[in-house]
Amino acid sequence: DVKVTQSSRYLVKRTGEKVFLECVQDMDHENMFWYRQDPGLGLRLIYFSYDVKMKEKGDIPEGYSVSREKKERFSLILESASTNQTSMYLCASSLVGTGLRDQPQHFGDGTRLSIL
Amino acid sequence: SQQGEEDPQALSIQEGENATMNCSYKTSINNLQWYRQNSGRGLVHLILIRSNEREKHSGRLRVTLDTSKKSSSLLITASRAADTASYFCATVFSGNTPLVFGKGTRLSVIA
Repeated sequence: DVKVTQSSRYLVKRTGEKVFLECVQDMDHENMFWYRQDPGLGLRLIYFSYDVKMKEKGDIPEGYSVSREKKERFSLILESASTNQTSMYLCASSLVGTGLRDQPQHFGDGTRLSIL
Repeated sequence: SQQGEEDPQALSIQEGENATMNCSYKTSINNLQWYRQNSGRGLVHLILIRSNEREKHSGRLRVTLDTSKKSSSLLITASRAADTASYFCATVFSGNTPLVFGKGTRLSVIA
């Protein structure tokens, strides 16, 4: 089975801190994704990557950056954390298939991040 | 927004009953996927249906797709308490774009 591991289940940080969320997958998937999930808003895509060192903006990239130095690892960075970034963050991965579109995504269990 | 919309937002049924959730979308799709999310966990892929398919089955799950009405439904038969979760549809539009998730239906199955 595919395993997507997020480094922390719960994280508490302070406003202005630089925050790193780590995600590792063990199935050699090309595509990796970062989402945030908020009540009433569903899942919103922050960034995704279809190859090492490649990244694409999703729907809400402002205030975030990402890093993919190795195929199995995709990091989400909050450059200067703010209270409106308090959320559940979900990482996912998928095979390339014929593109980003026709392969199921495999999710980690999420990181619940609180910014105080 | 291109986001799919699930209906109802919340559904409560007795164990053994069938649960039906619907998803509507606005533009042409390549495929549509359904996911389940247990409380406090990540999403789990359930089933994928392509735009040229009308119905797919997987165990107690039945998914239909009506591209003329731009809608899909997920039926869970003989529901169990363990089916209690949120269910999301995710759509793939034209081009090499990622999935777009709806806001989900919260299903509660009461034993």
